Amino acid sequence: AQSVTQPDIHITVSEGASLELRCNYSYGATPYLFWYVQSPGQGLQLLLKYFSGDTLVQGIKGFEAEFKRSQSSFNLRKPSVHWSDAAEYFCAVGARQGAQKLVFGQGTRLTINP
Amino acid sequence: NAGVTQTPKFRILKIGQSMTLQCTQDMNHNYMYWYRQDPGMGLKLIYYSVGAGITDKGEVPNGYNVSRSTTEDFPLRLELAAPSQTSVYFCASTNLAGLGETQYFGPGTRLLVL
Repeated sequence: AQSVTQPDIHITVSEGASLELRCNYSYGATPYLFWYVQSPGQGLQLLLKYFSGDTLVQGIKGFEAEFKRSQSSFNLRKPSVHWSDAAEYFCAVGARQGAQKLVFGQGTRLTINP
Repeated sequence: NAGVTQTPKFRILKIGQSMTLQCTQDMNHNYMYWYRQDPGMGLKLIYYSVGAGITDKGEVPNGYNVSRSTTEDFPLRLELAAPSQTSVYFCASTNLAGLGETQYFGPGTRLLVL
């Protein structure tokens, strides 16, 4: 069965520090990979996605993620976080055929210290 | 474009009551989805639809029903509310002209069953 693991439930970083959020997936083949962000009381917004090609993917708000097939990972990074980055971050995988049903990780809550 | 809209934003139900969560999208998307998000957990797929008149079960369909009579609307019905259905419900849509398209999410409906 497909699954997504985000090992860190809660991360706290200082403003201006670098950030890496981990995501590992279990899937029979290479899936489509997504990172979504959820601000408090809001819906989910897509940060970036990987389909094929370059394994380093650039997204909105200065985020990037790297797909590592050998490690079944798709970690999210940002060189310097801003207070506005405080939110919940979800990694998700989707099949490469069919109805694009997404399987989500449990999320990582990011807190920014001033 | 309003995108994906959901009503109501918040609702309290008594055990055994029924209600319909409304979801409308104005992007002419063919695929629509309902997810639930429990505290500290990722989103889980309840039902999805690949077009008007076509629906299918997701990971957690028990206690819910859906219909898709138009492209725009995808209501979710709770017939006999139970405390286990206390959750935040998100509707999403995408246009699978290709594969791996972005799913656009509504702002969510927070449901409390007492």
